[in-house]
Amino acid sequence: DVKVTQSSRYLVKRTGEKVFLECVQDMDHENMFWYRQDPGLGLRLIYFSYDVKMKEKGDIPEGYSVSREKKERFSLILESASTNQTSMYLCASSPATRGPHGELFFGEGSRLTVL
Amino acid sequence: SQQGEEDPQALSIQEGENATMNCSYKTSINNLQWYRQNSGRGLVHLILIRSNEREKHSGRLRVTLDTSKKSSSLLITASRAADTASYFCATDGLYGNKLVFGAGTILRVKS
Repeated sequence: DVKVTQSSRYLVKRTGEKVFLECVQDMDHENMFWYRQDPGLGLRLIYFSYDVKMKEKGDIPEGYSVSREKKERFSLILESASTNQTSMYLCASSPATRGPHGELFFGEGSRLTVL
Repeated sequence: SQQGEEDPQALSIQEGENATMNCSYKTSINNLQWYRQNSGRGLVHLILIRSNEREKHSGRLRVTLDTSKKSSSLLITASRAADTASYFCATDGLYGNKLVFGAGTILRVKS
């Protein structure tokens, strides 16, 4: 079974702190994604990556950056956390496909609270 | 921008009843997917239906797709308390390079 592991289930940080959210997948997937989930808004795509050292902006990249140095690991970075970044963050992965977008495999989520 | 929008926002039914959730989207798609999320957990893929398919079944799940109306429905038959969760539709949009999720339907099945 595919496993996507997010390093922290719950984090509490202070405004202005640098925050790292780590995600590791064990199925050699090429594609990795970071979403944030807020009540009433569903999931919104922050960044995604199709390959090592490659990244593309999603719908809401402002205030975030990402790093993909190894195929299995995709990190989300909040350079200076703000209270409006309090949210549930979900990492996902999928295998490369030539055609349309396939199934995503999600981690359990990281709930971040910024005070 | 949200591509898919689910309806209703919340649904409460008795165990054994059927649950129907609807999804509408705005642009042409290659496929539409449904996911389930238990409270405080990640999403789990349920079913994928391609744009050239009209209906698909998986166990107690039945998904329909009407591309002319840009809508889909998810039917869960003979619901169980364990089906209590949020359900999301996701579409890949015109270029198929990313999935866009709706806000979800919260389903509560009372035993």
